[in-house]
Amino acid sequence: NAGVTQTPKFQVLKTGQSMTLQCAQDMNHEYMSWYRQDPGMGLRLIHYSVGAGITDQGEVPNGYNVSRSTTEDFPLRLLSAAPSQTSVYFCASNVGPNTGELFFGEGSRLTVL
Amino acid sequence: AQSVSQHNHHVILSEAASLELGCNYSYGGTVNLFWYVQYPGQHLQLLLKYFSGDPLVKGIKGFEAEFIKSKFSFNLRKPSVQWSDTAEYFCAVLIQGAQKLVFGQGTRLTINP
Repeated sequence: NAGVTQTPKFQVLKTGQSMTLQCAQDMNHEYMSWYRQDPGMGLRLIHYSVGAGITDQGEVPNGYNVSRSTTEDFPLRLLSAAPSQTSVYFCASNVGPNTGELFFGEGSRLTVL
Repeated sequence: AQSVSQHNHHVILSEAASLELGCNYSYGGTVNLFWYVQYPGQHLQLLLKYFSGDPLVKGIKGFEAEFIKSKFSFNLRKPSVQWSDTAEYFCAVLIQGAQKLVFGQGTRLTINP
């Protein structure tokens, strides 16, 4: 059972480039979310989805897009990368939004030069 | 806005010392509370959770936490730490109906052998 799988694990971008962080889960969880982790700031919610076709913004959505065409996949898109988006990104899923017990992927470390 | 505060940013202890990490949240309604742990180089995993009932909850690896509603606190404790407890610890709050888990800033715990 793979759980939550994120790719790539590491990425270096130049300012202005675009990229997509992939996230897939095989637990049939309805709820998926993206967080960024920065030193001293903990984890901050970027976007989340309560089911296929439904997404919503978290605390820090600017500069990021998401879509949820299937239950399994929840990609995070950076349309024009900025140095402020240098961070570690975690995708998470859980059975439903009110259980709180998240299953995290291994993280994607992104550096924007 | 709802927030979660972890008072200690970095705690350094010797093996066998007792541990208490503070967590306070600012929300007056019904909440569910969590502690997550991130070992070096790994993703976050659930340590323990409180939904209702006995306010003293026990988690994995000998950790426990006490929910004190009047103090809006959910402090994490362990009577005797081990070197393998070196990790970053995150407190998180789920506000019922909000569908979002809010994390604290994290506390880095270093255990010296």
